[in-house]
Amino acid sequence: GAVVSQHPSWVICKSGTSVKIECRSLDFQATTMFWYRQFPKQSLMLMATSNEGSKATYEQGVEKDKFLINHASLTLSTLTVTSAHPEDSSFYICSAVPGQGARQPQHFGDGTRLSIL
Amino acid sequence: AQKITQTQPGMFVQEKEAVTLDCTYDTSDPSYGLFWYKQPSSGEMIFLIYQGSYDQQNATEGRYSLNFQKARKSANLVISASQLGDSAMYFCAMREGPFTGANSKLTFGKGITLSVRP
Repeated sequence: GAVVSQHPSWVICKSGTSVKIECRSLDFQATTMFWYRQFPKQSLMLMATSNEGSKATYEQGVEKDKFLINHASLTLSTLTVTSAHPEDSSFYICSAVPGQGARQPQHFGDGTRLSIL
Repeated sequence: AQKITQTQPGMFVQEKEAVTLDCTYDTSDPSYGLFWYKQPSSGEMIFLIYQGSYDQQNATEGRYSLNFQKARKSANLVISASQLGDSAMYFCAMREGPFTGANSKLTFGKGITLSVRP
């Protein structure tokens, strides 16, 4: 149980293109999802908290207009990297917490490797 | 100050031996949770073990156990009987405050690379 699916796994595209990444909770409802960015050999950096039916909460230093987040349903959050440039190339990974309870861990998607040429 | 500190840059262990991965944390909140995740080279994040701040006993999950020393603010992961498949990056993470769902965001340490030698 508690499966999070992320799509696509890989994206290679030209500079200036907008890229949409989907994060789905397959067997549970998630009012809150999280989006992270990770550079090679580094830690996960939280970009934003995605809230179903309301605006996302962005971490300090993350451009809201650059990284658009939409959490339109209890099982789907999307991250759109608008007008992507080479410096946006990174590993993006989402997560969600199934159910209630302090012991529930975040469950992660498999991540999306984004390469902007 | 860093909330989660993982200072070991890289660890090597012989197959079938035990290894300890260090994690110290910093919080003034009496209610918090500590998590360990494994990230293989393929990138997925795999949850390993959880320790709550009010837990009286150290957490264990199969070959994983957590050496929780609250006064020292450390939560070291112990992997027993290492296997080649344990080679990965390991992250310690903390959630502060009582769990309410929306506040369940995690702060991650820098991670430790573990290599298991045959």
